[in-house]
Amino acid sequence: EVHLMESGGGLVQPGGSLRLSCAASGFTFSIYWMGWGRQAPGRGLEWVANINQDGSETYYVDSVRGRFTISRDNVKNSLYLHMHSLTAEDTAVYYCATLGFRTIDSWGQGTLVTVSS
Amino acid sequence: DVVMTQSPLSLPVTLGQPASISCRSSQSLLYSDGDTPLNWFQQRPGQSPRRLIYKVSNRDSGVPDRFSGSGSGTDFTLKISRVEAEDVGVYYCMQSIHWPWTFGQGTKVEIK
Repeated sequence: EVHLMESGGGLVQPGGSLRLSCAASGFTFSIYWMGWGRQAPGRGLEWVANINQDGSETYYVDSVRGRFTISRDNVKNSLYLHMHSLTAEDTAVYYCATLGFRTIDSWGQGTLVTVSS
Repeated sequence: DVVMTQSPLSLPVTLGQPASISCRSSQSLLYSDGDTPLNWFQQRPGQSPRRLIYKVSNRDSGVPDRFSGSGSGTDFTLKISRVEAEDVGVYYCMQSIHWPWTFGQGTKVEIK
């Protein structure tokens, strides 16, 4: 069974940085595309970034491009999201997910990032 | 970006009655290889999203057959044949053909 556990969320000041992690288990992590999505409090869903199996291809939504970096460690079965220059608009629950062919398969439980002074 | 527009945004339903959610995309979701990557997700209160339907009409394993998806091009529908209490939550359509992948605003299903 696919299990995804996000961590690393918390309170950060505007302009600050944070690294989110996603520990994957129950499947062969290295053969899957992976991604991050987010959901601002009381709001809808936004898909943020994708990464291919070996990390050589990455995609970002315009609102985070240049500030966020998605990466992965296939030895540690882990996905990461490095976030810089954070603003209040980045406040959200961040979910990692496995990606199928042109779809999102399974979501983690999420980790809350709050950007506030 | 492709804009996904859902209606209604709020859907009060009587238990046992049908429900229908519409989703329209600002661009066709038909890929050149014939694929149409339109997905439906359910988010129950306090939970993370869960995929119900992929490629317009393919139901995920474990999803009750009272859920069905249909549509083509730019117009899509999620139907619940008989709403049960466990169906309460927010339903999102999502397109995964054009980057960035985008979601509808969400339709909140509640019991009358």
